[in-house]
Amino acid sequence: DTGVSQDPRHKITKRGQNVTFRCDPISEHNRLYWYRQTLGQGPEFLTYFQNEAQLEKSRLLSDRFSAERPKGSFSTLEIQRTEQGDSAMYLCASSLENYGYTFGSGTRLTVV
Amino acid sequence: AQSVSQHNHHVILSEAASLELGCNYSYGGTVNLFWYVQYPGQHLQLLLKYFSGDPLVKGIKGFEAEFIKSKFSFNLRKPSVQWSDTAEYFCAVSYTGGFKTIFGAGTRLFVKA
Repeated sequence: DTGVSQDPRHKITKRGQNVTFRCDPISEHNRLYWYRQTLGQGPEFLTYFQNEAQLEKSRLLSDRFSAERPKGSFSTLEIQRTEQGDSAMYLCASSLENYGYTFGSGTRLTVV
Repeated sequence: AQSVSQHNHHVILSEAASLELGCNYSYGGTVNLFWYVQYPGQHLQLLLKYFSGDPLVKGIKGFEAEFIKSKFSFNLRKPSVQWSDTAEYFCAVSYTGGFKTIFGAGTRLFVKA
């Protein structure tokens, strides 16, 4: 068990650029989640995968956000045409059923 | 909308003091309840969880939490805090039949040595 890995740890991008983040979950876990966290707030749900199927997506997400989990393994989160309001920590978590999350260290995005 | 409310944003205690962090969730049916902790410079990690059975749940590092269904509460307690308990604590809830876990805004605990 090597934990949940996220890459990159930090990303600085100019407004309007596209960014993609990667998450490698614990291999035995069938569920994968993306959350976003801003200063002073708790993690906010973005989307959920069970194996390779994306079963839920937050209504707060605009069409600029897309996530994939090909073959039920790693996952990517892409943000197109980034805006300053997208600056946040993006967290990935995995779990076996609903027994509690194992979080990665997150990707901190700064849009300038 | 389903939500989680944590009563205090910041708590400062001296070592050996007792701790109780409040957490309330909105009604939505059968729930699973969690407390997560984030130590400085580290990622979020699970502290304890409640699914069913004994409403008093014991977690790691001497923490415990009590589920009071009638009050929609899941308060976190520790009889005697240590400097190393300085961290941010998040209460979270998932509802049976749902997929996601909803987090509170967190409580920053600072323990003075």
